[in-house]
Amino acid sequence: AQTVTQSQPEMSVQEAETVTLSCTYDTSESDYYLFWYKQPPSRQMILVIRQEAYKQQNATENRFSVNFQKAAKSFSLKISDSQLGDAAMYFCAYRSRNNAGNMLTFGGGTRLMVKP
Amino acid sequence: DTGVSQDPRHKITKRGQNVTFRCDPISEHNRLYWYRQTLGQGPEFLTYFQNEAQLEKSRLLSDRFSAERPKGSFSTLEIQRTEQGDSAMYLCASSLVLAGVETQYFGPGTRLLVL
Repeated sequence: AQTVTQSQPEMSVQEAETVTLSCTYDTSESDYYLFWYKQPPSRQMILVIRQEAYKQQNATENRFSVNFQKAAKSFSLKISDSQLGDAAMYFCAYRSRNNAGNMLTFGGGTRLMVKP
Repeated sequence: DTGVSQDPRHKITKRGQNVTFRCDPISEHNRLYWYRQTLGQGPEFLTYFQNEAQLEKSRLLSDRFSAERPKGSFSTLEIQRTEQGDSAMYLCASSLVLAGVETQYFGPGTRLLVL
């Protein structure tokens, strides 16, 4: 079974600064997807960014980028130019690429606080 | 497209009572998922439908839990004989696979408190 670990329960960043959230995972599969989801205080989960394991290039979405290290099974999220609206819980998630495992496996989350 | 909706948003019940939650996915999304999230934790998978077929159930889903998606559109999750340990946020997500890529879109959740 796959497991996802987020070792930072809380992180804080100054507005306009850069912060990196860590995620490691354990799997025996070679092909899979990794995700970062954001859950603001209103509690609706929003997809931030997705990475396909077969792609070597790190995904980017505007101010959000990932550092995907497949051999190390590491998938960190970098938020540049942090904004007050970035304050939320961030969850790293894994999904198998085969049809038998469509569900997401989530880490325990990191609470990000943004200081003005 | 109004996104995934869930009803009710909050439910308080007494131990031993039955509760039912509803999820309306994004229209034309053929996959629907239920997750449970306890305070301070990440969501945990409960069950998954493709159209009206329930294809997978987690071991977390005890026999007190049942889910349906009768016409491949909305879904219901029923918990019978609720226990205090059932208190959690129940999240629904729907997805559509396009060109082999699937993204799950989450609803706002139903927060259940069992007294």
